[in-house]
Amino acid sequence: AQRVTQPEKLLSVFKGAPVELKCNYSYSGSPELFWYVQYSRQRLQLLLRHISRESIKGFTADLNKGETSFHLKKPFAQEEDSAMYYCALKRFNKFYFGSGTKLNVKP
Amino acid sequence: SAVISQKPSRDICQRGTSLTIQCQVDSQVTMMFWYRQQPGQSLTLIATANQGSEATYESGFVIDKFPISRPNLTFSTLTVSNLSPEDSSIYLCSVEVQAAGNTIYFGEGSWLTVV
Repeated sequence: AQRVTQPEKLLSVFKGAPVELKCNYSYSGSPELFWYVQYSRQRLQLLLRHISRESIKGFTADLNKGETSFHLKKPFAQEEDSAMYYCALKRFNKFYFGSGTKLNVKP
Repeated sequence: SAVISQKPSRDICQRGTSLTIQCQVDSQVTMMFWYRQQPGQSLTLIATANQGSEATYESGFVIDKFPISRPNLTFSTLTVSNLSPEDSSIYLCSVEVQAAGNTIYFGEGSWLTVV
């Protein structure tokens, strides 16, 4: 069965510090992975997807099949990055989400 | 992208009653899904709403408890039946947009509290 694990419930960093939100997955096929973000009082929205290999709002994520990871990184965190971040795996048109990590960027 | 409207945004219901949540999309979409997000937890897929046929339910969810309708490609309803306090949760409608690389988009959610 597919599973997405986000080991950290809460991650606090200071503004300007690097940030890495961890995501590990278990899936026997070729994974399609995403990061979703939910800012306070807003709906869940797509941040980035691994097949796009893009950088959104300074965030990047690389799929590491050997380590079955898809960690989200940003070199210099900003206060406006404070939000809930969810890693998700897509399988057969269905999305499976990790438990989420709350990122708190302190001034 | 797609604009997804959910109603109601919030409701308080008595145990034993039912609540029907509506999801309206501004464009035709093939795939619509219903998720549940219980307090402090992640999103759990309830079912895929299939247009013109019965919904496909995930393990642990049954049609009697969560009947779903999908009369056309822009609209779906989820009913949570015979409510108990354990049903207190946020219920989210989501759609897959093929034009956006098969990305899924979410409604704002319907916050249900059962008393």
